[in-house]
Order: sequence, then C-alpha cells, then structure tokens
Amino acid sequence: DQQVKQNSPSLSVQEGRISILNCDYTNSMFDYFLWYKKYPAEGPTFLISISSIKDKNEDGRFTVFLNKSAKHLSLHIVPSQPGDSAVYFCAASALGAGGTSYGKLTFGQGTILTVHP
Amino acid sequence: NAGVTQTPKFQVLKTGQSMTLQCAQDMNHNSMYWYRQDPGMGLRLIYYSASEGTTDKGEVPNGYNVSRLNKREFSLRLESAAPSQTSVYFCASSSGLAGTSTDTQYFGPGTRLTVL
Repeated sequence: DQQVKQNSPSLSVQEGRISILNCDYTNSMFDYFLWYKKYPAEGPTFLISISSIKDKNEDGRFTVFLNKSAKHLSLHIVPSQPGDSAVYFCAASALGAGGTSYGKLTFGQGTILTVHP
Repeated sequence: NAGVTQTPKFQVLKTGQSMTLQCAQDMNHNSMYWYRQDPGMGLRLIYYSASEGTTDKGEVPNGYNVSRLNKREFSLRLESAAPSQTSVYFCASSSGLAGTSTDTQYFGPGTRLTVL
C-alpha cells in the first residue's frame, strides 16, 4: 500500500516557467512533509519542508503548499532553471507528540523534472 | 566536513554471498538510517538507529542486519545475498534531538549493489 504517491513519473518545463510537482498521501497521521532533490549518482538532498500546522512554506524560488483536507501537497519552482533538472521525492513523517520523527520517512516514487533551456 | 560517507560505491555479489555496507557521519548526529531505492518504488526504510546503542526495523528489514558500531558508524549486513536485494542503498543521518520540530536527514552518495 503506497501511502505517499507521486502520480507523475516525469515533468518537462521550459526555463523561466513554473514547475509544479504534486504529491498525494493517504495516512492521516502524517504531520510533517518534505521534498528532496536527487541528481544521478548522488544521494537525495533536502529541499524544503512543511508542518501540518501551515498551508504554505516558501524558500527562495521554492514554495510548498499543503492541502490537508485533500491530503495533497505540491512543490512550485519559479522560475525554473536547467540546474533544477533532477528527480524530486516527496516524503512524509508522523512526528507525533514527542516532536521528533526518528526519521521514519515514507517516500513517494519520485518525479523526474527536466527544465529545457 | 565530509557529511555522510558510504563504502563501497559499487559491488557485485553472487547469490548466497555475504557483505557489509559501511556508513559513517561526521555531523555528530544521533540518528542513522538505511534505505534502499528501487525503480518506481522511491526510497524504503530498511533499519534505523534512533541513538547509539539502539536499532529498529523499518519497512523492509527481511534479509538484513545492522550494527550501530558507535555514534559515527552504522553498518548494514547482507548474510546471504539474493537477486531481490539488487538495489541502490542509501545511508542517512539526522540530529534526532527530541523536541525538535524538524529532523532533516542528510544522505550519503549511495552503494549500487548487484546480486547475480
């Protein structure tokens, strides 16, 4: 049972335009969400996160939106750059009352983003 | 400051052989993790260690064992490799501090393992 789903295996965008990557989850216990970026032959690197008490978090060109009622989050990249071409993973965690996740992250399958010059 | 390092980078095994994947971090993190990545599956947690001296199973622990050797090092052992264990293995670490609202994981570069 895939608790975190990224239904688009790939996305192609022109440089300068907006990239929107989507992620759906089914487990209502998830309360912390992250996006990781991965280049070939490297490990994933943390990009941005959002707690379930917020519906938006922004960091430079990257914004994550969370719609709890729809169990949906999205990552917006504006403007997109060729260097953003990578695999993007959505991940979720149930932090719980203790405030620390002990890293039981559940990942989506990933979306390959290609930004064309 | 190397972050998270993994050895080896590549390995080919025959069915039934054993091997240990090594992982070390120099960020003084408490928690460490092992994931495997398979095509179309994302990353799946194999085992984790919340702090030195403790280990716990993740989503896909069968066929693996782990050792938290000290605060820096966390190894993953395949006792009798099977073709189904062909995958890319990632080690990660995080501060694991209780009470923090964020616990970002930092990943190593991965080990690509093929079992024939």
